[in-house]
Amino acid sequence: DAKTTQPTSMDCAEGRAANLPCNHSTISGNEYVYWYRQIHSQGPQYIIHGLKNNETNEMASLIITEDRKSSTLILPHATLRDTAVYYCIVWSLLDSNYQLIWGAGTKLIIKP
Amino acid sequence: DTEVTQTPKHLVMGMTNKKSLKCEQHMGHRAMYWYKQKAKKPPELMFVYSYEKLSINESVPSRFSPECPNSSLLNLHLHALQPEDSALYLCASSRRPGLAVCCGQYFGPGTRLTVL
Repeated sequence: DAKTTQPTSMDCAEGRAANLPCNHSTISGNEYVYWYRQIHSQGPQYIIHGLKNNETNEMASLIITEDRKSSTLILPHATLRDTAVYYCIVWSLLDSNYQLIWGAGTKLIIKP
Repeated sequence: DTEVTQTPKHLVMGMTNKKSLKCEQHMGHRAMYWYKQKAKKPPELMFVYSYEKLSINESVPSRFSPECPNSSLLNLHLHALQPEDSALYLCASSRRPGLAVCCGQYFGPGTRLTVL
């Protein structure tokens, strides 16, 4: 199964771009990269996902390296409300069902 | 309606009690999931229901018993739990199991369970 590695914690100044890295060096060709975040004591929230190409939505951008062994989640203008644990997840095939295998997460703290 | 609801928000139970956690979604999703999350850890998958049938049981002890009465509801029946089962229990849904690849999972707010 593919695994993900993330820094335990990061700080970012309010208004600046927050760049959260993730290594997934054992990812296989048909596995997706997902990002979720979890604000304290709430359920996880979907942010973005991708396979090969870079992706952008209203919340964030996802940059995937050409070899797909790593990716970066970018929050372009971080606000205090973006303080959360961010999970990088690789989608793995398990018993004919695709399921999410969660990494340990990065605690992102946005500072005023 | 893009919401997954869970009840109760908090539950305290003794080791001899029987209780149930409930989860509901009205998005027409046909895959529903139970996760367990301990403090400062990522969620751990427990069960997956696909089209109201149990498709994955991640070697969960039998004191946890899932039930999917219909496509909108998911229950988790609890009996003879241990203190180490105290955790946040999260429910999630997705359009279809395979389509979770494209569309992600919607999570509920969770039930905070304490076993005394």
